[in-house]
Amino acid sequence: GQNIDQPTEMTATEGAIVQINCTYQTSGFNGLFWYQQHAGEAPTFLSYNVLDGLEEKGRFSSFLSRSKGYSYLLLKELQMKDSASYLCAVRMNTGFQKLVFGTGTRLLVSP
Amino acid sequence: EPEVTQTPSHQVTQMGQEVILRCVPISNHLYFYWYRQILGQKVEFLVSFYNNEISEKSEIFDDQFSVERPDGSNFTLKIRSTKLEDSAMYFCASSPGTSEKKLFFGSGTQLSVL
Repeated sequence: GQNIDQPTEMTATEGAIVQINCTYQTSGFNGLFWYQQHAGEAPTFLSYNVLDGLEEKGRFSSFLSRSKGYSYLLLKELQMKDSASYLCAVRMNTGFQKLVFGTGTRLLVSP
Repeated sequence: EPEVTQTPSHQVTQMGQEVILRCVPISNHLYFYWYRQILGQKVEFLVSFYNNEISEKSEIFDDQFSVERPDGSNFTLKIRSTKLEDSAMYFCASSPGTSEKKLFFGSGTQLSVL
């Protein structure tokens, strides 16, 4: 079976740094994605890791450890507009981009 | 940036009725997908489509569901006889190829079955 775990909710303050963790146990693995989703909207791509290590993109960084089945998304210099759900998704190795999503972490950024 | 467009944004239907959700993927993309998200739950894969045929489908995608690419631009999801539990946000997505890192998602169709 496929199991992807994330915390349900997190809160942080504007300007702070927050780390959202994701652990996964899946029958196949061909990369891990992080998506941002505002309420009632489509998921938008944030980052992709397929090899171990850290990928940095502006205020957002994502880390992957395949041996531990673990990833995190790091958001720096938080802004109010970062209040959203953050979805961890594993790409299966079926070859057709099937993504298995976690339940998402709802982040609330307060002033 | 090019977008995946979906219509309608909201659809209300009676249980047992047929619905067709429409999507226009990005024009040079070759792989198309439908996902759904029941309120408060996770995004779930329904089906992937390539070269005018289904390449993979989930357990959710039973005989009541079908997909079609009727012309060179549209990609549709049909639910033949809707059930209450089909109420969800349905997202269409596309990608140019499997080596592409990301899926491009449409803004979704909120389906409400009464």
